[in-house]
Amino acid sequence: EIVLTQSPGTLSLSPGERATLSCRASQSVSSSYLAWYQQKPGQAPRLLLYGASSRATGIPDRFSGSGSGTDFTLTISRLEPEDFAVYYCQQYGSSAWTFGQGTKVEIK
Amino acid sequence: QVQLVQSGAEVKKPGASVKVSCKASGYTFTSYYIHWVRQAPGQGLEWMGIINPSDGSTTYAQKFQGRVTMTRDTSTSTVYMELSSLRSAETAVYYCASGYNYGRDAFDIWGQGTMVTVSS
Repeated sequence: EIVLTQSPGTLSLSPGERATLSCRASQSVSSSYLAWYQQKPGQAPRLLLYGASSRATGIPDRFSGSGSGTDFTLTISRLEPEDFAVYYCQQYGSSAWTFGQGTKVEIK
Repeated sequence: QVQLVQSGAEVKKPGASVKVSCKASGYTFTSYYIHWVRQAPGQGLEWMGIINPSDGSTTYAQKFQGRVTMTRDTSTSTVYMELSSLRSAETAVYYCASGYNYGRDAFDIWGQGTMVTVSS
């Protein structure tokens, strides 16, 4: 099973700042199978990015993704108040899907 | 619209089983895989398994092998997830999710979640 490790665990930032979230895999992951989700309290997760860098419908362009192999990044260019949430990366490989443990983006 | 609607909250005793349903609507049920994901209170997301509604084939996470069963009923466009030998640590919200717009591997449609509480 591929293990995804996200860092940092918590990111304390102010609105308008840039957020950079990391997702590292225990073995190489195809970019086609790397996704990012946002989750707010009491809600189901929401798909942000698929294929490492493609935005899902309705996702603002301040959200972007990059990376390949074992290192992937989610960047939020300028944080809006509604962006403070928990973010998860997720991958598919070897007939199994796994999630990272999450990064919480909180208001500083 | 495309949606997944899950059954209501459950309270079970340790050692019991729970069966959660997920009813699909707004699309061709047999065309899209459905996953099950759970989330313990204050914790992260954990993938449990996947079912192909077309033929009923399944793949389960190794952790749940032997304790989880996913089935489907094409007549009602509903999938089911049954988990046996429940432990208190398995108190969690259980979600069904589907990769509808972007392929099987990116979960863009989610059910509302079903809270399962395991307590004596």
